[in-house]
Amino acid sequence: DAKTTQPNSMESNEEEPVHLPCNHSTISGTDYIHWYRQLPSQGPEYVIHGLTSNVNNRMASLAIAEDRKSSTLILHRATLRDAAVYYCILREMSQGGSEKLVFGKGTKLTVNP
Amino acid sequence: GAGVSQSPSNKVTEKGKDVELRCDPISGHTALYWYRQRLGQGLEFLIYFQGNSAPDKSGLPSDRFSAERTGESVSTLTIQRTQQEDSAVYLCASSLLSSYNSPLHFGNGTRLTVT
Repeated sequence: DAKTTQPNSMESNEEEPVHLPCNHSTISGTDYIHWYRQLPSQGPEYVIHGLTSNVNNRMASLAIAEDRKSSTLILHRATLRDAAVYYCILREMSQGGSEKLVFGKGTKLTVNP
Repeated sequence: GAGVSQSPSNKVTEKGKDVELRCDPISGHTALYWYRQRLGQGLEFLIYFQGNSAPDKSGLPSDRFSAERTGESVSTLTIQRTQQEDSAVYLCASSLLSSYNSPLHFGNGTRLTVT
């Protein structure tokens, strides 16, 4: 299984940008990079995904390294509601033709007022 | 529209009893997933459905665990002869397609406590 590596925790101040890193050195050419986040006592929530080019949506931006071995989720202005565990996931296809998302332990983001 | 709905939201059961956990996916979503999350841990994949068939059951931890899906809609996860180590939040997710570009939508889970 392809794996990702993220810091266990990060801290940010409210209204400042946050850069959440993810390493995925064994990524294959057809793996998409997905980010989800999980607020306390809730199920995970989709944030953004990409393949090679940088991506922007209303929630965040995703910057992907040229060699695709790492990526960074960017929250442009952190709010207290962004405090969550952020998961970086490679969307892979198993040999049987099915697919699953393999979640690691993620990065716990704390946002200070 | 309605999101993924799971019931019950909380379940307390005695060791050795059977439990059934229900998931109502978003209407029209063909793919459905079950995950387990132990306290303070990440998500552990259990099983995946495409339509009513389950091409990937690799994550089911033992033969006490089974799942089915009917009508390409509702899914039930059954745990027989529950053990204390089965205590966890069981999360269900659905997606429109089984595809790299189709995000998963998660429910808020069923918190199972085995006493």
